[in-house]
Amino acid sequence: DAKTTQPPSMDCAEGRAANLPCNHSTISGNEYVYWYRQIHSQGPQYIIHGLKNNETNEMASLIITEDRKSSTLILPHATLRDTAVYYCIVRVAHGSSNTGKLIFGQGTTLQVKP
Amino acid sequence: KAGVTQTPRYLIKTRGQQVTLSCSPISGHRSVSWYQQTPGQGLQFLFEYFSETQRNKGNFPGRFSGRQFSNSRSEMNVSTLELGDSALYLCASSLKEITEAFFGQGTRLTVV
Repeated sequence: DAKTTQPPSMDCAEGRAANLPCNHSTISGNEYVYWYRQIHSQGPQYIIHGLKNNETNEMASLIITEDRKSSTLILPHATLRDTAVYYCIVRVAHGSSNTGKLIFGQGTTLQVKP
Repeated sequence: KAGVTQTPRYLIKTRGQQVTLSCSPISGHRSVSWYQQTPGQGLQFLFEYFSETQRNKGNFPGRFSGRQFSNSRSEMNVSTLELGDSALYLCASSLKEITEAFFGQGTRLTVV
């Protein structure tokens, strides 16, 4: 079972920041938070991941709370092309045979509106 | 750099038949994993290979099998197809088992 909880859907106005929350209250010390998104009928696309520090790349920012029990993916200026299902995944970093396994939940469907 | 390539993109098979799907990972990537996506169950992990060895297997019946070749290319096979096997089958590759995985576009299998 997925170790994350996400709202099923969210709306965002084009040009505004989209903030997608994720709860992972049972996360372990050696587990990373990964974010992927899937645009209709395409393969999931890697966005970003982090362990405990906030991370930023060209696509998004990831804010992880100090207790690591929740995180927020931020798309700073959402466009219509960001409409997709966003998956938050907890993944073992190393030292486990489950390292390569991604457990997807139901994700959050983000609808960016003009 | 070419991405993950899955062939074929679309496939229609009859119940009882078997099917083989192919995945070519990103050059240099040694880990390949497979997922099944259906409207009812979402994205589910099938199995993972690293350096030709199956490291992990999801909760699927034995009709689902796979292998990885020395060049890291992978195939998955489904025997005795059932209607419920209709799904998008996705392959992902990563440099190592601990690094981020990149997905292909998938193979859409329809069983009639």
